[in-house]
Amino acid sequence: GAVVSQHPSRVICKSGTSVKIECRSLDFQATTMFWYRQFPKKSLMLMATSNEGSKATYEQGVEKDKFLINHASLTLSTLTVTSAHPEDSSFYICSARGWTANTEAFFGQGTRLTVV
Amino acid sequence: LAKTTQPISMDSYEGQEVNITCSHNNIATNDYITWYQQFPSQGPRFIIQGYKTKVTNEVASLFIPADRKSSTLSLPRVSLSDTAVYYCLVGDSSASKIIFGSGTRLSIRP
Repeated sequence: GAVVSQHPSRVICKSGTSVKIECRSLDFQATTMFWYRQFPKKSLMLMATSNEGSKATYEQGVEKDKFLINHASLTLSTLTVTSAHPEDSSFYICSARGWTANTEAFFGQGTRLTVV
Repeated sequence: LAKTTQPISMDSYEGQEVNITCSHNNIATNDYITWYQQFPSQGPRFIIQGYKTKVTNEVASLFIPADRKSSTLSLPRVSLSDTAVYYCLVGDSSASKIIFGSGTRLSIRP
């Protein structure tokens, strides 16, 4: 299947700093990318959906200014957690979908963010 | 978006066949059914996708009855490495979102 690379896989940052997570589709053009957050032993929670070249659509309750999403090209989307706090610590996962006739999406390996 | 309902957890033993059923009563005509597998601290991995009847690949089989209101993921001869959470998703290519349900936590014992 197609490959989605997410970087970094783990990051520890200090409170108040910002962290950028990259999501790249390596062998296909991702027209749509999704960002999820996952708490321990819970399901994936959709944070936002982004289409290349346009602003991301955020889910209700997700702070746009806290979680900045940029989808500048068909192979790259970034999630920046701004002014991170310990409660932002979580597992973040990106997903990408290209021009297919079905709904199959490919997922990155996830990023474990720890804010200290 | 069609809502899906799966058992929260299942247990089985190595070598057994495991069937996980997903209910999706409100599935739309254009919707496909997709199953993903997730290990701890990893992103979900695509297992199988189908529209109707039966689909089989090297990993699993997917059975979909004629009314398409449910589907069953069948894992033949499971091993310890099949311990994971399995998600059933329903949607079509125009869906602006991919929403995950609660998933089924499958535990395989020796």
